[in-house]
Amino acid sequence: DSGVTQTPKHLITATGQRVTLRCSPRSGDLSVYWYQQSLDQGLQFLIQYYNGEERAKGNILERFSAQQFPDLHSELNLSSLELGDSALYFCASSAKIGLAGGTGELFFGEGSRLTVL
Amino acid sequence: DAKTTQPTSMDCAEGRAANLPCNHSTISGNEYVYWYRQIHSQGPQYIIHGLKNNETNEMASLIITEDRKSSTLILPHATLRDTAVYYCIVRVASYNQGGKLIFGQGTELSVKP
Repeated sequence: DSGVTQTPKHLITATGQRVTLRCSPRSGDLSVYWYQQSLDQGLQFLIQYYNGEERAKGNILERFSAQQFPDLHSELNLSSLELGDSALYFCASSAKIGLAGGTGELFFGEGSRLTVL
Repeated sequence: DAKTTQPTSMDCAEGRAANLPCNHSTISGNEYVYWYRQIHSQGPQYIIHGLKNNETNEMASLIITEDRKSSTLILPHATLRDTAVYYCIVRVASYNQGGKLIFGQGTELSVKP
């Protein structure tokens, strides 16, 4: 158990819909990362938040948005869903902004599996 | 971040050492080598990381060549539960730069009885 909690574990929805994925980081971790893993793309970095502020952005579509709340949990919002958005979405957390000052470890949750029909 | 090259797949007999190579010939002086693994659709799991010295922990050993252009992750006594995709990632360990990790395709390790 990494200490990172993601909900829901599974989600089935239709094209054009909007969903919200939730992540609770490990206690005390200030950084939250979102990754998407589809069969043909591998693990793709989407975005990082640190203590409520966006710190790094990857291949995140404009239809997707994220935020980190004062209690440090994060939400990933996916809208106007397409079939190609079907994937596993992972959240990870770490104590600091970067990888220095600790073990350099990102702790990953078990993921939310999104199926768009 | 420097690019890494790993074999697509490898097999290992249960109980034997699994040696997973990684090439990172363009690595910079301040870049670390990180290893993660992902067991069938679970969240990736940190294994070990190092800069230039060899490192060992309860999971594995990391051997980095003197010129730092390649490294080998060693699982000393592989078990069936070590069957997973292993990712070698090169990254700056910074206090201020975001800690995102860029995952490549990794090596799919199959441990066989």
